[in-house]
Amino acid sequence: EDKVVQSPLSLVVHEGDTVTLNCSYEVTNFRSLLWYKQEKKAPTFLFMLTSSGIEKKSGRLSSILDKKELFSILNITATQTGDSAVYLCAVSGYGGSQGNLIFGKGTKLSVKP
Amino acid sequence: DSGVTQTPKHLITATGQRVTLRCSPRSGDLSVYWYQQSLDQGLQFLIQYYNGEERAKGNILERFSAQQFPDLHSELNLSSLELGDSALYFCASSVATWTAGYGYTFGSGTRLTVV
Repeated sequence: EDKVVQSPLSLVVHEGDTVTLNCSYEVTNFRSLLWYKQEKKAPTFLFMLTSSGIEKKSGRLSSILDKKELFSILNITATQTGDSAVYLCAVSGYGGSQGNLIFGKGTKLSVKP
Repeated sequence: DSGVTQTPKHLITATGQRVTLRCSPRSGDLSVYWYQQSLDQGLQFLIQYYNGEERAKGNILERFSAQQFPDLHSELNLSSLELGDSALYFCASSVATWTAGYGYTFGSGTRLTVV
């Protein structure tokens, strides 16, 4: 069965700290891994990763995928209170999940001033 | 505005009742996905439609049903509601089922409270 496990489930840091969020997965015929940020309502897209070892960056956020070890990390440097949100990891496969995104339970990040 | 429209935004109803949630996908998207998000379970896939046809089912209860209409909007029907059905229900869309791996666009969700 396809599954995604995120850790930690919650994290409290202070502004300026660097955080690393973890995502491990099992999926039939891996296609892609995606990170979303969910603040109040709709999850919003951050990154899509398909190739191992290639870092994706957007400002203070970056992510990398390890297809051999079946995990990804999301790094946030110099955190700000606006980074407070739930960060969701999802995977897509060609097989059992029929292309649907399978989500982890998320990591709730709280950034204190 | 993501382009995916969900109505209503909030819904409060009693146990045993039936409700209908509505979703209009982003312009040009043919695939619609429904997810349920509760506090302890995260985003759970319910059902997927592509161009009017059901393509995949997840952990959808028999009391729940959905359909996608010719104009591509979709409705999720929840019946014989129980307290445990209280959750955020999200609709998402993508161009096609095979583009799901590039990510979906989510609507803002319908918060259902069953009392």
